[in-house]
Amino acid sequence: SQQGEEDPQALSIQEGENATMNCSYKTSINNLQWYRQNSGRGLVHLILIRSNEREKHSGRLRVTLDTSKKSSSLLITASRAADTASYFCATGNGSSNTGKLIFGQGTTLQVKP
Amino acid sequence: DTEVTQTPKHLVMGMTNKKSLKCEQHMGHRAMYWYKQKAKKPPELMFVYSYEKLSINESVPSRFSPECPNSSLLNLHLHALQPEDSALYLCASSQTSLRGVQPQHFGDGTRLSIL
Repeated sequence: SQQGEEDPQALSIQEGENATMNCSYKTSINNLQWYRQNSGRGLVHLILIRSNEREKHSGRLRVTLDTSKKSSSLLITASRAADTASYFCATGNGSSNTGKLIFGQGTTLQVKP
Repeated sequence: DTEVTQTPKHLVMGMTNKKSLKCEQHMGHRAMYWYKQKAKKPPELMFVYSYEKLSINESVPSRFSPECPNSSLLNLHLHALQPEDSALYLCASSQTSLRGVQPQHFGDGTRLSIL
């Protein structure tokens, strides 16, 4: 079963604008990860935020985590046409020996040139 | 280019055929995963191997049979599949850690069509 709900399901913006995607989850987590998937390709890991962290940055990406609300957001600043893709949050619990990632439903982002 | 290589990229098979999907990684990762992904849906976990031993089977039908011959290779043997098994099959690998599920590296998948 899928744990995460992502919002919005689809987002269309102009190049240069910022894109914000939200993710909610249900159970306790060790960390939350964001992935990107270009059409016809595999997923690419973008960023990981641990349960004791509130905010993390990586280049044009900013991720926040609110464990009290069981929610996270991904902000992409100054978007580019190459950012067009599907974005998934994934929650992890347990160790890698027995734990697993549970993916949200995803947000499809279109960045128009 | 991805560091996880999956072959074949496309596979069309009949319901009575037997085929295998292959996955290879040389990053020294000791956890490997199979996922199934339907169009416009998130990946669904099927199997997890840790140190070459099956650690998670998400109640996958027995017509899917995983195998991990060594730390770099992961196979998924297919037999008597159904049309609803048509999907993109993704392989992933990660480091192992007691600090939680680590970032996973994905291959580009095998697109499987069952006739």
